[in-house]
Formats: sequence, structure tokens, C-alpha cells
Amino acid sequence: DVKVTQSSRYLVKRTGEKVFLECVQDMDHENMFWYRQDPGLGLRLIYFSYDVKMKEKGDIPEGYSVSREKKERFSLILESASTNQTSMYLCASSKGGSLTDTQYFGPGTRLTVL
Amino acid sequence: EDQVTQSPEALRLQEGESSSLNCSYTVSGLRGLFWYRQDPGKGPEFLFTLYSAGEEKEKERLKATLTKKESFLHITAPKPEDSATYLCAVHRFSGGYNKLIFGAGTRLAVHP
Repeated sequence: DVKVTQSSRYLVKRTGEKVFLECVQDMDHENMFWYRQDPGLGLRLIYFSYDVKMKEKGDIPEGYSVSREKKERFSLILESASTNQTSMYLCASSKGGSLTDTQYFGPGTRLTVL
Repeated sequence: EDQVTQSPEALRLQEGESSSLNCSYTVSGLRGLFWYRQDPGKGPEFLFTLYSAGEEKEKERLKATLTKKESFLHITAPKPEDSATYLCAVHRFSGGYNKLIFGAGTRLAVHP
């Protein structure tokens, strides 16, 4: 079974703090993704990576950065957290070769920025 | 414009009352349609991938079908444990890459 884990289920941070969200997958997948999910807006792609040290912007990259130093790990960084970044953050991975492969999701991190 | 629309937004069923969820899409060159189940406070759980019109897939009480413009998720004799939000997603080609675009989901509640 594919296993995608995220470092925290719940996180509370203050405005202006630097926030790190970590994601690890154990299936040797090439592709990894970060989404945020908000009521009424569905899932929106923030960033993705198709190889180590490679990253591409998704639909809403502003205010975020990412890091992929190892194949199994993909980090999402909020350089200076703001209240409008309060959301559910979901990490996903897929096998590789094609970005149309099935994506498997982690349990999510509910981030609250005060 | 590429988009995915799911209906209804919410559906309440009695246990054993079969029904269908709809996912209509407009995307040029379908590269796969995906169904996920999401329980409250959890990440989406993969259910099915469909690639071409006429394709069908089944898992327990769920059956997914695909036409050129829409997909249906049929739920036969549902049980309370089938209560969840069901998400539909398709790939679209944007910015040089294939990216998933999600519908807003259908919240299903099955009551005993």
C-alpha cells in the first residue's frame, strides 16, 4: 500500500512566523504535490515536483516555497505566515513517468494562523 | 475553460436507497478521470481511475462509469459507512504540465 505521511495533523502558528510542513512517501514515487483545501474552493495546487531538486509552480504559489532534497521528502514552506493561509494542506505523490498517474494523498495538516 | 462540476452538492440517503453522483467535465483531451472518497478531517482516498468513454469500474457498493462529457458514481444499497465527501478530478494540460483539477465534491450522508 502507498503510504504518504505528513509531519503534523494540526498546527497553530502566529502571523509572520516561518512554517514548515513536511511530507514523506515510502513508495519510491517520482512526483510529489502540495495542495490546499478550503470550503467551497476545493483542492488547489500550490507546487509540485517531478524529481529531486526540481519544482514547478501550481495554480496558487504566492506566499509559499518548497524544497525537495530527497526523493521521498517534499517540504512546503510558508516564509511569513498570514491569516489567509489558514487551511487544510494536503500532500500527494504519484509514481512517475507521467504526471497523469494516480495521486495518493496524505492525511492532511490543518494549519491555523492567528 | 477547463472545469469540473459535481452534483448534487449534498445528498441524503436512507440505508439501502441506491443513487448516483454526477461529475461533468470540460477539458480538452481527457487524460484520466479520478474518483476519491474523503472523510472529515482526512486526506482523499483513491477509489477509481477511468481513461476512456464506456469504461466502468467497481468496488464493493460503488461503480464508476465514464462518457465523453461526464462520469457517474453509482452507489448500490448504501450503508452508513459510505457517508463521506466524494471528489472527482480530471487532468488538464497547463503551463507545460498535466495538472489535476478537482470538483467541489458531493457530501453524501447515509442514514440507518
